[in-house]
Amino acid sequence: QMQLQESGPGLVKPSETLSLTCTVSGDSISDNYCAWIRQPTGKGLEWIGLVEYSGKTAYNPTLRNRVTISLDTSKKKVFLDLRSATAADTAVYYCVRGYIGADYLDVWGTGTTVTVSS
Amino acid sequence: QSVLTQPPSVSAAPGQKVTISCSGSSSNIGNKYVSWYQQLPGTAPKLLIYDNNKRPSGIPDRFSGSKSGTSATLYITGLQTGDEANYYCGTWDTSLSAGVFGGGTKLTVL
Repeated sequence: QMQLQESGPGLVKPSETLSLTCTVSGDSISDNYCAWIRQPTGKGLEWIGLVEYSGKTAYNPTLRNRVTISLDTSKKKVFLDLRSATAADTAVYYCVRGYIGADYLDVWGTGTTVTVSS
Repeated sequence: QSVLTQPPSVSAAPGQKVTISCSGSSSNIGNKYVSWYQQLPGTAPKLLIYDNNKRPSGIPDRFSGSKSGTSATLYITGLQTGDEANYYCGTWDTSLSAGVFGGGTKLTVL
């Protein structure tokens, strides 16, 4: 059974890059993809983007010019970089597994809280 | 504003039935499968329904889903206090080439 664990700095300064890592354990993400979802406190879910096993990516149009999602060569770590962070990027960030060609997310990490503040 | 529209809140008594709607368009719900997620307080969301009406292993049959046109519905029967949570619908949007969610519905079991 796949498990996903997010990690990274809990505090990021405005204008800096918010960088998170998702560590994959258990099953491989072969034939799947990993997505990043975020949730500001007391608000709903926002889809940030995804990276497929092949390295192909897709991004939320509202974040596309600031975000990069990548996969390391071992396929066991997924990275999120969100540039020029602002207070509006303060949220819980989730790493989630999805299936290529399907429209659902079946394995969720526990989430990591990131605060953007000076 | 979320791409998919859900009512902010619903409520019902224990043992009763509740429905949660999710409205979209032809670029998302109209041509894609809908999934539903349950988020209990202080926890990560959990997949509740996928492909409009399928339940992952371990999800009770009190939870069911349907889709018609550009709308989807989550049904919860035999409500329990433990069902109090936020519920989100989600799918893929072909125009945006991105995943999309509803704004979430808070279920209160009175």
